[in-house]
Amino acid sequence: AQSVTQPDIHITVSEGASLELRCNYSYGATPYLFWYVQSPGQGLQLLLKYFSGDTLVQGIKGFEAEFKRSQSSFNLRKPSVHWSDAAEYFCAVGPIQGAQKLVFGQGTRLTINP
Amino acid sequence: DTEVTQTPKHLVMGMTNKKSLKCEQHMGHRAMYWYKQKAKKPPELMFVYSYEKLSINESVPSRFSPECPNSSLLNLHLHALQPEDSALYLCASSHLGEGTAQETQYFGPGTRLLVL
Repeated sequence: AQSVTQPDIHITVSEGASLELRCNYSYGATPYLFWYVQSPGQGLQLLLKYFSGDTLVQGIKGFEAEFKRSQSSFNLRKPSVHWSDAAEYFCAVGPIQGAQKLVFGQGTRLTINP
Repeated sequence: DTEVTQTPKHLVMGMTNKKSLKCEQHMGHRAMYWYKQKAKKPPELMFVYSYEKLSINESVPSRFSPECPNSSLLNLHLHALQPEDSALYLCASSHLGEGTAQETQYFGPGTRLLVL
């Protein structure tokens, strides 16, 4: 069965510091991986996605993620965080085709210290 | 444009009320989804419509009734809800291409529902 693990429930970083959010997945085939961000009371915004090709994926808002098949990981990074990056971040595995559910991790809440 | 709109933004209803949530997209997507999200939890899938037909129902209680009148519109009819149904209800849509199309789900801002 597919599963996604985000080991860190809550992370606090200082503004301007670098960020890495961890995501590990379990999926029988080639995964289709996503990172979404959710600000309080808002919907989910797609940050980036990976299906195939270059394992380093660039997204919006200066985020990037690296797919490592050997480690079953898809970690999200940002070189310098801004106060507006404070939010909940969800990693998800999607179906290769068809309209099926996304399997989400439990989320990582990011707090930014000024 | 990757916009999914949802109305209303907030809804308060009693346990005997009937209300509806509305979701709209104009991206030409042929798959639409309803998710329920409780506080500090990830979204949980409720229903999926593919080409205006219900394709997935995740064993959702019958007090939730989805409807897809056309390819751009998705409704969720609510009747006799319980306080534990209070949550953020998210709508999403995806392209639903042929073959090995890479489906990306785009989410709306959600409707915050409070059942008293």
